[in-house]
Amino acid sequence: DAGVIQSPRHEVTEMGQEVTLRCKPISGHDYLFWYRQTMMRGLELLIYFNNNVPIDDSGMPEDRFSAKMPNASFSTLKIQPSEPRDSAVYFCASSLSTLSSQPQHFGDGTRLSIL
Amino acid sequence: GENVEQHPSTLSVQEGDSAVIKCTYSDSASNYFPWYKQELGKRPQLIIDIRSNVGEKKDQRIAVTLNKTAKHFSLHITETQPEDSAVYFCAPSGGGADGLTFGKGTHLIIQP
Repeated sequence: DAGVIQSPRHEVTEMGQEVTLRCKPISGHDYLFWYRQTMMRGLELLIYFNNNVPIDDSGMPEDRFSAKMPNASFSTLKIQPSEPRDSAVYFCASSLSTLSSQPQHFGDGTRLSIL
Repeated sequence: GENVEQHPSTLSVQEGDSAVIKCTYSDSASNYFPWYKQELGKRPQLIIDIRSNVGEKKDQRIAVTLNKTAKHFSLHITETQPEDSAVYFCAPSGGGADGLTFGKGTHLIIQP
């Protein structure tokens, strides 16, 4: 299996620009998660999906952030407009059906820098 | 939501010695207790996990022990090696459809 695939690996853009991060989960996994990692706040859950449906988006920092999962093999996290404080590593992860007793498999992350 | 704390935040041990990292949680319904390892610049990866019907699990030099009454579980690494240097995260989760809450992480440094 190829594992969770994220793109791009690195993104540098100016503030105010739209940023789109992409994720392809492991085939057969029903849950998909988006996390943000910073030195100050650690690893934070932003939103997660079950069978392509958003279940909990309480971690999404504000309306500038949005996430979609149009099908079982693709998800996007969009930031519009971007701000310097959005700079972080964004991870996507997926897991099998039973949420609370299955490990999460992480992608390699997208390192986002907003200038 | 789950309240998760890890101790210590940084741990430095001599190569060959043992390391223990503790994770406390608040939700008594938690029933899955994983530990993830994250090397510098890499993604978090599961190294060991335990479910609530088991008190201890071992995999070569790594073990996890669970105390459900006291609501904590610990990661034990014996005969530490340089490649054990990393940040370790716990992420206890419950029986409901809640997202995971990760601890703040423990930076383990193996001194040669």
